[in-house]
Amino acid sequence: DTEVTQTPKHLVMGMTNKKSLKCEQHMGHRAMYWYKQKAKKPPELMFVYSYEKLSINESVPSRFSPECPNSSLLNLHLHALQPEDSALYLCASSQEPLANEQFFGPGTRLTVL
Amino acid sequence: AQTVTQSQPEMSVQEAETVTLSCTYDTSESDYYLFWYKQPPSRQMILVIRQEAYKQQNATENRFSVNFQKAAKSFSLKISDSQLGDAAMYFCAYRRFGNEKLTFGTGTRLTIIP
Repeated sequence: DTEVTQTPKHLVMGMTNKKSLKCEQHMGHRAMYWYKQKAKKPPELMFVYSYEKLSINESVPSRFSPECPNSSLLNLHLHALQPEDSALYLCASSQEPLANEQFFGPGTRLTVL
Repeated sequence: AQTVTQSQPEMSVQEAETVTLSCTYDTSESDYYLFWYKQPPSRQMILVIRQEAYKQQNATENRFSVNFQKAAKSFSLKISDSQLGDAAMYFCAYRRFGNEKLTFGTGTRLTIIP
């Protein structure tokens, strides 16, 4: 298995909802990443987990809450989002935190109403 | 802070021809890595090629090669024998040595003309 999977593919939520995005990899990678990509913009790093511990938080608002339950799984919990949070959320993984290739998932397209 | 600039929002090339995508970056570091990532319309980003700053030799991967000019802080991507499957958004990216953060440029949308 050489891919990063993300569920759901699409998500529509209201500003009062609580939802979660899921990312999974079975490549034995020890670093996992969340990126946010607005339309026609580059991905922007949100969080990095290294060996299941949060190592980077790029000053992301607390309405985004990451979780790494085990080395294969990465969640992003969403609560009280704003319409401007609508974007493509990409997950990536790498063999080690400083490895030279990150493998990206297809993303979750999030719409906040 | 490191910045990555791609001055060509869109490029097009005839199938089988060669195209070069430009990228410049700004850093005060001497050790870093540079990457070109491709994001096809299906959205999954894949690594095309990478370059370690300490290596003088330009990286090559099949039809893809880079022109790395460290003093000029320039990192262009050349695609030879362009194919329809090369159509995508191409992002140049920078990572400082010892840091996990990948900083992307604004991207260049490449269209292949049959």
